[in-house]
Amino acid sequence: AQKITQTQPGMFVQEKEAVTLDCTYDTSDQSYGLFWYKQPSSGEMIFLIYQGSYDEQNATEGRYSLNFQKARKSANLVISASQLGDSAMYFCAMREDPNAGGTSYGKLTFGQGTILTVHP
Amino acid sequence: DGGITQSPKYLFRKEGQNVTLSCEQNLNHDAMYWYRQDPGQGLRLIYYSQIVNDFQKGDIAEGYSVSREKKESFPLTVTSAQKNPTAFYLCASRVAGTDSNQPQHFGDGTRLSIL
Repeated sequence: AQKITQTQPGMFVQEKEAVTLDCTYDTSDQSYGLFWYKQPSSGEMIFLIYQGSYDEQNATEGRYSLNFQKARKSANLVISASQLGDSAMYFCAMREDPNAGGTSYGKLTFGQGTILTVHP
Repeated sequence: DGGITQSPKYLFRKEGQNVTLSCEQNLNHDAMYWYRQDPGQGLRLIYYSQIVNDFQKGDIAEGYSVSREKKESFPLTVTSAQKNPTAFYLCASRVAGTDSNQPQHFGDGTRLSIL
């Protein structure tokens, strides 16, 4: 069974500084995908960034980058130049390989989340 | 604008009552999902559907039912058998296929409370 662990219940960062949110995962699949989502207090889930298990380069999307260390099974999210609007809950999620068969096609397994607070 | 619409935003259930949460998408996505989120927790999968007229149980399906009669719609019924229904419910959809980098897109959620 897949498992996602986010060990930081809460993180604080000063505006304009960088912050790293930790995510470790456990899977026996060789092929999988890792996602990060942002959930503001309003509740919607906003997709931020994706990393495939076979991607050789770390994913980047604007101020978001993913520090992917496959051997350590970690996929940490790095937010550069934090903004006040970055204050939210952040979730790491993993999807098993849709080509692996089985009946759980496309299913995401989520971590418990990390609450990020950006201070002015 | 394409997106996922969940309604109502807030819903109250009386003891012994079934309630239905609506989820409609105009993204032409094949796969749809229902998640439950409890305060301070991650999302847990209730049901999912890959195509019309087919759906599968997720990790916490007991006390819930779904239907998928149309591609655009995936309503969730919280039955009286669900003894602790108070939670935030999120619907999601995704392009089906082998592109594993395609994310799930989410609606704005429905907050369900017991009266």
